Amino acid sequence: DAGVIQSPRHEVTEMGQEVTLRCKPISGHNSLFWYRQTMMRGLELLIYFNNNVPIDDSGMPEDRFSAKMPNASFSTLKIQPSEPRDSAVYFCASSFRGGSVDTQYFGPGTRLTVL
Amino acid sequence: KNEVEQSPQNLTAQEGEFITINCSYSVGISALHWLQQHPGGGIVSLFMLSSGKKKHGRLIATINIQEKHSSLHITASHPRDSAVYICAPCSGTYKYIFGTGTRLKVLA
Repeated sequence: DAGVIQSPRHEVTEMGQEVTLRCKPISGHNSLFWYRQTMMRGLELLIYFNNNVPIDDSGMPEDRFSAKMPNASFSTLKIQPSEPRDSAVYFCASSFRGGSVDTQYFGPGTRLTVL
Repeated sequence: KNEVEQSPQNLTAQEGEFITINCSYSVGISALHWLQQHPGGGIVSLFMLSSGKKKHGRLIATINIQEKHSSLHITASHPRDSAVYICAPCSGTYKYIFGTGTRLKVLA
């Protein structure tokens, strides 16, 4: 299995621009997570999808952030407009939710720099 | 007070040393993960445990649910073990609460 795939791996953009991060979860997994990692705050859960439906978006920082999962094999995280404080590494993770706690498999991350 | 406290925050060891990283948490959990993150790299789940002890190669993880404490041990440490180790208790069925991590450097 190729694991969780994220693109792009690196993104540099200017303040005010729209940024779209992409994620392909592991085939067969029914849960998908977007995380953000910064030096100051560590890892934070942004949003959790189960069977393509957003279950918990309480971690989405503000209306500039939106996430979609149109099908089981693809998700996007969009920031519009981007700001310098959005600079971080964004991780996508997937798991198969079959009951109790499930191991999450992380993608390689997208390093976002907003100038 | 943070919900998850890891100690030490930074650790430098000589190759071959026995290493212990501690994690204390204050919330009720269903399980706890230990994650490994290499510099500039992705995140790998090392262990998921809800009781007792698990062993994988040179790595051993223990948890005491009553005391809300977990430890990660590395026996015969090696430079390739150099990474950040993150304790992540799980509240409910999916919500990890991440520790700030322990940065380990193993010198040859």
